[in-house]
Amino acid sequence: SQQGEEDPQALSIQEGENATMNCSYKTSINNLQWYRQNSGRGLVHLILIRSNEREKHSGRLRVTLDTSKKSSSLLITASRAADTASYFCATGINDMRFGAGTRLTVKP
Amino acid sequence: GAGVSQTPSNKVTEKGKYVELRCDPISGHTALYWYRQSLGQGPEFLIYFQGTGAADDSGLPNDRFFAVRPEGSVSTLKIQRTERGDSAVYLCASSLNPGPYEQYFGPGTRLTVT
Repeated sequence: SQQGEEDPQALSIQEGENATMNCSYKTSINNLQWYRQNSGRGLVHLILIRSNEREKHSGRLRVTLDTSKKSSSLLITASRAADTASYFCATGINDMRFGAGTRLTVKP
Repeated sequence: GAGVSQTPSNKVTEKGKYVELRCDPISGHTALYWYRQSLGQGPEFLIYFQGTGAADDSGLPNDRFFAVRPEGSVSTLKIQRTERGDSAVYLCASSLNPGPYEQYFGPGTRLTVT
């Protein structure tokens, strides 16, 4: 069964703009991960945030976690056409549960 | 270095047939995971191996599905009496150790049951 739920389902922006995607989950978590999937490179890990962390950065990515609201957000700053992909949040330690994803399109 | 590889990349089979899907994890990774992904959905967990043993097979949908990892490296996912509903992309992932760590995914095997 799926645990996370991403919002919006689809997002279309212009190159250079920021993109924000949200993830809500149902049960208590140990950690939350974000992955990207495109046809060229398959599913790729972006960032892992643990339940005792509130914010994490990696390059142009910023992830926040609010365990009281059972939600996380992924911000991509200064987006590029190459960021076009589906983005998934996943929870779990080994049996990861993914949401249905947000499909991001970045127009050049 | 070499990533996770999966063979075949595509498999078309008839309803009722038996199929085997192979995963070759990153060398030295002790944990191996199988997922399946239907169109428009996120990956769905099937089973996870720590070494040679299946540590969690709670995601296998029914007893037609079985997976092995006899030497703690390569794994095979076996599906008996395939049904059209089994059509999906089957993804394999590995990680250095089990636990909340980054999983490295293979390109997947697209299974089509006709």
